[in-house]
Amino acid sequence: QITLMESGPTLVKPTQTLTLTCTFSGFSLSANGVGVGWIRQPPGKALEWLALIYWSNDWRYSPSLKSRLTITKDTSKNQVVLTMTNVDPVDTATYYCAREPLGAPRFDYWGQGALVTVSS
Amino acid sequence: NFMLTQPHSVSESPGKAVTISCTRSSGSIASNYVQWYQQRPGSAPTTVIYEDNQRPSGIPDRFSGSIDSSSNSASLTISGLKTEDEADYYCQSYDSSSRVFGGGTKLTVL
Repeated sequence: QITLMESGPTLVKPTQTLTLTCTFSGFSLSANGVGVGWIRQPPGKALEWLALIYWSNDWRYSPSLKSRLTITKDTSKNQVVLTMTNVDPVDTATYYCAREPLGAPRFDYWGQGALVTVSS
Repeated sequence: NFMLTQPHSVSESPGKAVTISCTRSSGSIASNYVQWYQQRPGSAPTTVIYEDNQRPSGIPDRFSGSIDSSSNSASLTISGLKTEDEADYYCQSYDSSSRVFGGGTKLTVL
């Protein structure tokens, strides 16, 4: 059974750094071709892809947010961490992590999401 | 990078069929697979169509996907609409460096 779960702060002040952790089970990020990505959704708005990290430690970032994002993995802990610097109220959103299966640029398993509010 | 454009909303009656479009702004729609996700309020998205026209196990055959190179778009068709189909639907595709979601379509079944 594959599960993913996001964790992190629910409230962050503007200009601070946001750190979110995705803890997963049922698969390994050491397996060939597997990836874990982050997607966010502001309240009432559309999904937005943020970042992706592969089993090989290769990564991809949204061009519009690349300068503010860092994605890392800890294979031994089955965790992926997303860091976003210099947050703003427009970064208020539900943040999801999701698995990208072997050789397929799509997301087949999603976490339940974590709502992060950016406010002073 | 490219964008995927969807209608903001569609509505149809139970038992009828509805089609949601997803138009790619640049590059060929046929070059990269398109996925469709259903999202009910308060829940994470789930896949209803992957690789243009494949249904995951558990998704009824009322859901179908297609692509049209002439309009550079993908479509999700839901036939025999049920009230439980009322949700937001997102298309998603990719290129070598990015994953891209459409703006989402709210389906109302009334």
